[in-house]
Amino acid sequence: GESVGLHLPTLSVQEGDNSIINCAYSNSASDYFIWYKQESGKGPQFIIDIRSNMDKRQGQRVTVLLNKTVKHLSLQIAATQPGDSAVYFCAENTNTNAGKSTFGDGTTLTVKP
Amino acid sequence: EPEVTQTPSHQVTQMGQEVILHCVPISNHLYFYWYRQILGQKVEFLVSFYNNEISEKSEIFDDQFSVERPDGSNFTLKIRSTKLEDSAMYFCASSRISRGTDTQYFGPGTRLTVL
Repeated sequence: GESVGLHLPTLSVQEGDNSIINCAYSNSASDYFIWYKQESGKGPQFIIDIRSNMDKRQGQRVTVLLNKTVKHLSLQIAATQPGDSAVYFCAENTNTNAGKSTFGDGTTLTVKP
Repeated sequence: EPEVTQTPSHQVTQMGQEVILHCVPISNHLYFYWYRQILGQKVEFLVSFYNNEISEKSEIFDDQFSVERPDGSNFTLKIRSTKLEDSAMYFCASSRISRGTDTQYFGPGTRLTVL
């Protein structure tokens, strides 16, 4: 069946360093990918998205890279701050699934001061 | 900035009881969703809803679950006879359009505890 997964369950970085969070997906029909940030006790918060016709998209301090050949997605956070500490989920949609998002397992990012 | 709201923030119920979780989606959104997240696990899709009918549902969304948009602003999830394994965070989300082309905005969630 389809699945979206993350390579590492936890990531610890020093404040100011760059963070890279990875995600592998298995549904080759996926055409829209989203990164969410979830802080403790809160709902998933949209960070950045990318469509399958792109391989890179940049936001404020964040960059998402998509490699469709190996079905890999990554989130890069520049100059990581303590406020970036959270669980990060990748999710994928397809045009035929009525907007259903399939979430990966999540990576817990801890930023050490 | 408009946001999705959910009530209550925490619901405690006895096994076998009915619960209704409430959501107010963003006002100009047309697509509505319910997801759940068991403690420490990933977010799981339950159901999507558009034009007063279910668009898609997961295998989790069995006959014990139902959704309703009783008026122009609320979107509810009902669990008819709760089980212990229904204990989870339930998130409502909404989007302007569907088909993976628009961002889903999530509410803060309702923590359901079934005793």
